[in-house]
Amino acid sequence: AQSVTQLGSHVSVSEGALVLLRCNYSSSVPPYLFWYVQYPNQGLQLLLKYTTGATLVKGINGFEAEFKKSETSFHLTKPSAHMSDAAEYFCAIGGTSYGKLTFGQGTILTVHP
Amino acid sequence: NAGVTQTPKFRVLKTGQSMTLLCAQDMNHEYMYWYRQDPGMGLRLIHYSVGEGTTAKGEVPDGYNVSRLKKQNFLLGLESAAPSQTSVYFCASSTGLAGFVTQYFGPGTRLTVL
Repeated sequence: AQSVTQLGSHVSVSEGALVLLRCNYSSSVPPYLFWYVQYPNQGLQLLLKYTTGATLVKGINGFEAEFKKSETSFHLTKPSAHMSDAAEYFCAIGGTSYGKLTFGQGTILTVHP
Repeated sequence: NAGVTQTPKFRVLKTGQSMTLLCAQDMNHEYMYWYRQDPGMGLRLIHYSVGEGTTAKGEVPDGYNVSRLKKQNFLLGLESAAPSQTSVYFCASSTGLAGFVTQYFGPGTRLTVL
């Protein structure tokens, strides 16, 4: 079975500050890991994904995430927060032969001036 | 391209009523999914389809039925709505299984069951 845990249901940062959203995973097979973002009143869209290869993955809007197998983590970062980054972020895991995608509980990011 | 569209955007039902949610995609994707989103629980898979004429159960299928008569459409039905089905419903489509490829989501349907 696979699972992801997002640490912190709410994260608040100042505009221009570092954004760090934490995701830890559990998987018995090499995982595929995803970060999706949901802006208010919209559907989810892909920020970035890790499949195999390079462990530092760059996504849209300046976000990146690093796959750390030893720490079973896939934390999402952005050096400088912008007001438009305010949204809910979901970490998700896949990669099994069943093809199932399991979502974390979500982290709401608030950016204040 | 419109991507993934969902109809309706909002709906209020009384307990016991039935309704159908429509999902349409214009990306020629084989795979389509229905999720429900509840606060603090992320997204949970209700049913999915790997191609026209096929459907399969997901994580929380009870109380829902689906049909995929045309490749571009995926319908979600509630035969007898219950308050526990109050949720936001998202449809998604992809070129392959959800655990391996990018999913494209619709804007959602907010359903309230009184």
